[in-house]
Amino acid sequence: DAKTTQPPSMDCAEGRAANLPCNHSTISGNEYVYWYRQIHSQGPQYIIHGLKNNETNEMASLIITEDRKSSTLILPHATLRDTAVYYCIVRGGGSSNTGKLIFGQGTTLQVKP
Amino acid sequence: GAGVSQSPRYKVAKRGQDVALRCDPISGHVSLFWYQQALGQGPEFLTYFQNEAQLDKSGLPSDRFFAERPEGSVSTLKIQRTQQEDSAVYLCASSLSISGTETQYFGPGTRLLVL
Repeated sequence: DAKTTQPPSMDCAEGRAANLPCNHSTISGNEYVYWYRQIHSQGPQYIIHGLKNNETNEMASLIITEDRKSSTLILPHATLRDTAVYYCIVRGGGSSNTGKLIFGQGTTLQVKP
Repeated sequence: GAGVSQSPRYKVAKRGQDVALRCDPISGHVSLFWYQQALGQGPEFLTYFQNEAQLDKSGLPSDRFFAERPEGSVSTLKIQRTQQEDSAVYLCASSLSISGTETQYFGPGTRLLVL
């Protein structure tokens, strides 16, 4: 089972920041938080990941709470092309972990003009 | 550079027919994953290869599903005697190393419809 909880859907106005929440209250110390998105009829696309520190790249920012039980993905200036299903995934490290991704239902983000 | 490619992109099969789905991972990627995505659901893990070795096949739904990666690059997912419940998008992903935290890159998927 997925270890994360996300709202099923969200709307965002074009040009505004989109803040997508994720709860992962059972996360353990060596598990990372990953975000992928899936645009209609395409394969999932990697966005960002983090362990405990906040992370930023050219696509998004990831804010992880100090207790690591929740996180927020921020798209700073959403465009219509950001309309997609966003998946928050908890993924373990360590050599014994094969790295398979366990997807939940994700959040469908609709960016509106 | 070239990403993960999959073929065919669409496949229509009659119930009972065998199908073979191909995945070309990114060159040099050691790890390869197959996922199944039913309509309206998130992808679900099927199987994992490290080079040519199939290390995890815990997600394969039945013995009708078989995957191989004989030379550690191209992989084929075969479904024998297809059933209507096999209708789904089959996604392939590859990653550079065996690290459990390495980023996975996905192909566009093969959409299988079993009539």
